[in-house]
Amino acid sequence: AQTVTQSQPEMSVQEAETVTLSCTYDTSESDYYLFWYKQPPSRQMILVIRQEAYKQQNATENRFSVNFQKAAKSFSLKISDSQLGDAAMYFCAYTYDYKLSFGAGTTVTVRA
Amino acid sequence: DGGITQSPKYLFRKEGQNVTLSCEQNLNHDAMYWYRQDPGQGLRLIYYSQIVNDFQKGDIAEGYSVSREKKESFPLTVTSAQKNPTAFYLCASSFLDWLGTEAFFGQGTRLTVV
Repeated sequence: AQTVTQSQPEMSVQEAETVTLSCTYDTSESDYYLFWYKQPPSRQMILVIRQEAYKQQNATENRFSVNFQKAAKSFSLKISDSQLGDAAMYFCAYTYDYKLSFGAGTTVTVRA
Repeated sequence: DGGITQSPKYLFRKEGQNVTLSCEQNLNHDAMYWYRQDPGQGLRLIYYSQIVNDFQKGDIAEGYSVSREKKESFPLTVTSAQKNPTAFYLCASSFLDWLGTEAFFGQGTRLTVV
């Protein structure tokens, strides 16, 4: 069974600074997708960024970027120039064979 | 506007009663999913369906049942056999090419057993 591990239950960052969220996963597959989802206090899940395992280039979406290390099965999310609106719970997720598996989440707090 | 709608937002149930959570989507998505969210455990997959009249168990299907009679609808029944049903439930949908396809989520239903 595939598992996704987020080892940081909570992270705090000063506004305008950078924070990195860690994620590791376990799989025996060679091709799969990884995602980061954001869940703000409204509890609406929002896709932040996705990465295909076959692509070596790290995905970037505006202030959000990932560091994908396939051999280490690591998929960290970097939030640059943090804004108050970035405060949320962030979930790392892995998908293969129509099943999307989530980590336990990391709560990000942004200090003004 | 296209989207995925869950109802009700809050639901209270007495112990021993079955309750059904609604999930409707107008995105023309083939696949639909139910997740349970508990504090500190992330989202866990209950059931998923790729086509009408077919569905598969996820990781925590015991005590739950689903149906998929229409492409747009995927209701979840929490039965009295579910030992700890109080949780936040999320429904999601996507096109059938799940690999890499973005999943869209409803706003969730908070179920409380009283």
